[in-house]
Amino acid sequence: SQKIEQNSEALNIQEGKTATLTCNYTNYSPAYLQWYRQDPGRGPVFLLLIRENEKEKRKERLKVTFDTTLKQSLFHITASQPADSATYLCALDKTNSGYALNFGKGTSLLVTP
Amino acid sequence: GAGVSQSPSNKVTEKGKDVELRCDPISGHTALYWYRQSLGQGLEFLIYFQGNSAPDKSGLPSDRFSAERTGGSVSTLTIQRTQQEDSAVYLCASSLQGADTQYFGPGTRLTVL
Repeated sequence: SQKIEQNSEALNIQEGKTATLTCNYTNYSPAYLQWYRQDPGRGPVFLLLIRENEKEKRKERLKVTFDTTLKQSLFHITASQPADSATYLCALDKTNSGYALNFGKGTSLLVTP
Repeated sequence: GAGVSQSPSNKVTEKGKDVELRCDPISGHTALYWYRQSLGQGLEFLIYFQGNSAPDKSGLPSDRFSAERTGGSVSTLTIQRTQQEDSAVYLCASSLQGADTQYFGPGTRLTVL
């Protein structure tokens, strides 16, 4: 069956450091992978999409890598800030339909001053 | 502009009762999605509406679940004869077109006693 695995342990880092979150998947042949942010009591908010032919994508302090051989994506937040504290979700399209996303359980990030 | 809204925000019901959850998408968005987030699980795709096309119901977990989208706007997710395992947060999202960035509502937390 299709699985998306994210580190279930919360990640605690100091302000200013780089946070790195991991997403591993099995039984997907994804054309793309997405990362979302979710705050308590809120719906997920889209951050970045990376396609299978892209090794790396950047947006401001965010960087995503995508290795289809390892079946893994890494999500980096550089110069982290307390406002970055949230749960970060990795999402894959079940059938490359363009809409049927399944999400990992997410990794909670806490950035302390 | 207004985002995706969902009602009610919380719903407590007794096992065996029917419930209706409502989603108001962003005005002008033609695509609408329902997801379920069970405790300790990632978001799970349930159903997708695009314009006047037949919905993709492939994610609905049983025939107790159904959804409608009237007039290409508001959507209702109905769960008949609720079971305790239906307890979850039900999230709705909309996008301008199918396969575009999805914008999520805050969700409805359903508790089945």
